[in-house]
Amino acid sequence: GNSVTQMEGPVTLSEEAFLTINCTYTATGYPSLFWYVQYPGEGLQLLLKATKADDKGSNKGFEATYRKETTSFHLEKGSVQVSDSAVYFCALGFNKFYFGSGTKLNVKP
Amino acid sequence: DTEVTQTPKHLVMGMTNKKSLKCEQHMGHRAMYWYKQKAKKPPELMFVYSYEKLSINESVPSRFSPECPNSSLLNLHLHALQPEDSALYLCASSRTGTVNEKLFFGSGTQLSVL
Repeated sequence: GNSVTQMEGPVTLSEEAFLTINCTYTATGYPSLFWYVQYPGEGLQLLLKATKADDKGSNKGFEATYRKETTSFHLEKGSVQVSDSAVYFCALGFNKFYFGSGTKLNVKP
Repeated sequence: DTEVTQTPKHLVMGMTNKKSLKCEQHMGHRAMYWYKQKAKKPPELMFVYSYEKLSINESVPSRFSPECPNSSLLNLHLHALQPEDSALYLCASSRTGTVNEKLFFGSGTQLSVL
């Protein structure tokens, strides 16, 4: 079947630290991959996406590369800010959308 | 206008009440979705409307009844809910409903069933 597995949180980092949130997927075909972010009290917002193997999605300093050989779509940012504190969801789009369990990121000043 | 607007933001209802959640978008999107999100969990798909027709029902109990009066509006009618139905209900839309498209989410309705 289709599913997404992402690292459990919370992840706590100091401001300007490097961020990696791991995401791996299982799919019966060739899915599109997404990262969504959810701030407290809000709905989800698309952060970035990639629709085919080797594509790199990027936005606001965040990047993720669609790796078919390792079935991964890890989220990275070189220098996090306090304002990046939120819950991050990896998602797969195939016949419908499948969301990972979410990873809470806390960034301390 | 790139917003999905949901009303009300908060709702408290008893198990015998009937209430409705509303969702509106003016982006010309032809697919609209209802998701249920429990605390610290990912969103769970409930229903998908594509071109105003119900295309996916994820085996949701009949006490939840969706309605899509036109391409801009989506309602979720609630009746005889249980306390375990308390959750954040999110509406989303996308341009045509294909799974490589961005989902636009509303801020949700926080529902408490007493």
